[in-house]
Parts: sequence; structure tokens; C-alpha cells
Amino acid sequence: DGGITQSPKYLFRKEGQNVTLSCEQNLNHDAMYWYRQDPGQGLRLIYYSQIVNDFQKGDIAEGYSVSREKKESFPLTVTSAQKNPTAFYLCASSPGQGEPEAFFGQGTRLTVV
Amino acid sequence: SQQGEEDPQALSIQEGENATMNCSYKTSINNLQWYRQNSGRGLVHLILIRSNEREKHSGRLRVTLDTSKKSSSLLITASRAADTASYFCATGNTGKLIFGQGTTLQVKP
Repeated sequence: DGGITQSPKYLFRKEGQNVTLSCEQNLNHDAMYWYRQDPGQGLRLIYYSQIVNDFQKGDIAEGYSVSREKKESFPLTVTSAQKNPTAFYLCASSPGQGEPEAFFGQGTRLTVV
Repeated sequence: SQQGEEDPQALSIQEGENATMNCSYKTSINNLQWYRQNSGRGLVHLILIRSNEREKHSGRLRVTLDTSKKSSSLLITASRAADTASYFCATGNTGKLIFGQGTTLQVKP
């Protein structure tokens, strides 16, 4: 099956811990994105990457970090510096310039306990 | 910063009625997309309209784009209970894909 896979579906984090959310795609897409969604709200862009080994900050990058070592993988680390990490995190990919349609994973719900 | 702003924030209609939601954006665009999100799930792409297009249809969906007013509308005709979801517009420039706040649509059977 072609698609984009996020794991885990649910994640619990203790205060002060770093956690990493996984995002893998087998669509051969160049661009990948991470969004945060709070209850009843829209999506806010955290980081995006248009090509391997390159990524840019979105609107709310503070307290988050990413890497893009492989085309198919774009993991997101939520660091202890993120003061309010409880949210729904969505990963997406798209073919890139000229082909903007994005495909989304099913999301990871992160809760701080 | 949000590029797109949807209006209304929430919409409740009866099955069979039409639903119209609007999106306004701030900067020039190459295209505008509409997505749907069922509760607690990822988003699904519905339709894309390019800046040189004024109207586009896909099944029961009709999208219009007015670049002079920097606005777009999504019309769902003959709505069904299964259309209950949140709908988002999205615009992209220089690789960023920015979403609006969304319209939550409830279709009552």
C-alpha cells in the first residue's frame, strides 16, 4: 500500500522528556511537512522540507526539531523546551513544486502527563 | 500566521441542503486547495484550483476563486450526513503549505 504512516498513534510524555514522532512515506515525494493541531483549531506549520538534508522552520518551530536524512523519513522531536506540547500532530507529503496536493498521515496524539 | 481564513467557523444544515463555505487569503497564490478532515483523522485532499481558473467542479463539489478579492468558496450540493467534517482551505508559496482555521460542517439526517 502506498501512503504516509505516522507512529505511534498515541504518545504520552512526562514533563522534561524529549519524544520523537515518526513519519514515513513510500510515495517518492520530495516535500514533507509537520503540523500541529489544537482542539477545534486549524493546522499550524512546524517544519517543512522540500528535499533531503534540507528543512525550514514554519510558524511555530520553537521547541521542536526535525531531520531529513532520507527521502522517505521526516521524524519530529518534541523537546522539553516546548512548553505546551499536548496536541494532535499531523505529517504530510507532496510531490513538490508544481504538484502541491498533500497526502496526510493519520496523526499522533501527544499528551503530557 | 494563517494565510487562509474560513467563514463561517461552524455550519449546521439538514441533509439534502447545500453547504457553502468561504476562504480568504492574504498574499498572491499559484493555487488554492480544499481539504476535508473527519474527527481525529488526517486530512484528505478534495480539490485544487489554480490561479488562472475561476471555477472547478468535482462530483458534488464546486469551487470558485476570485483572485481580485483574494477569496475562494466551496459549495457542497445535496449534502449527506457523511459530509459531516471539518473543511480547510490551503495555499502554498515557496514550498510552504498553509492552512486556514477551518469550517466545521454538521449535516443532520
